[in-house]
Amino acid sequence: DGGITQSPKYLFRKEGQNVTLSCEQNLNHDAMYWYRQDPGQGLRLIYYSQIVNDFQKGDIAEGYSVSREKKESFPLTVTSAQKNPTAFYLCAIRRGGDGYTFGSGTRLTVV
Amino acid sequence: AQSVTQPDIHITVSEGASLELRCNYSYGATPYLFWYVQSPGQGLQLLLKYFSGDTLVQGIKGFEAEFKRSQSSFNLRKPSVHWSDAAEYFCAVGLYNQGGKLIFGQGTELSVKP
Repeated sequence: DGGITQSPKYLFRKEGQNVTLSCEQNLNHDAMYWYRQDPGQGLRLIYYSQIVNDFQKGDIAEGYSVSREKKESFPLTVTSAQKNPTAFYLCAIRRGGDGYTFGSGTRLTVV
Repeated sequence: AQSVTQPDIHITVSEGASLELRCNYSYGATPYLFWYVQSPGQGLQLLLKYFSGDTLVQGIKGFEAEFKRSQSSFNLRKPSVHWSDAAEYFCAVGLYNQGGKLIFGQGTELSVKP
């Protein structure tokens, strides 16, 4: 969606490797979120951040890490501790009374 | 615990027929409710939202939803489905008093027959 950019669109990870997914926004909103989507399971919250230099674990944070050094950026690292990382990852921003806007997603595959 | 249930995993309707997708939620406070649509391999697009006020809300693409507090439901409707409506639909509750987390239902996949 306009204003929130996820990259890359496709990502391949080897066993034991860490990979980082990018999420950038130019809409000047504080709250950002990372969700994981698996077929038939809806979306599950990994991490979220309400302000720069602060973030909280979601429901499935194990094996993931994040940082929030800038308001515009909220990268997600999938570590080697995540045993089943193959999924579709979505980043979102909360736009107050306008709800949430999602990026176009990154599909991560283990090879 | 907060939860969202979409009882129908897959629905098939004929083009031109009416549509209703069901959503039930479990949440103690006043809910902020959303319906999103997702095409394959894409992000989520907001169809409509309910925060307060009129319980019948209008959205994009001819969709509407009705909030019924007594039934803890927020069902999505469309009077006449188009082939381009085939997609996956997600209902969600926004927990604005818990960091603004969104809790999603499992989704309903809509197929449209010609």
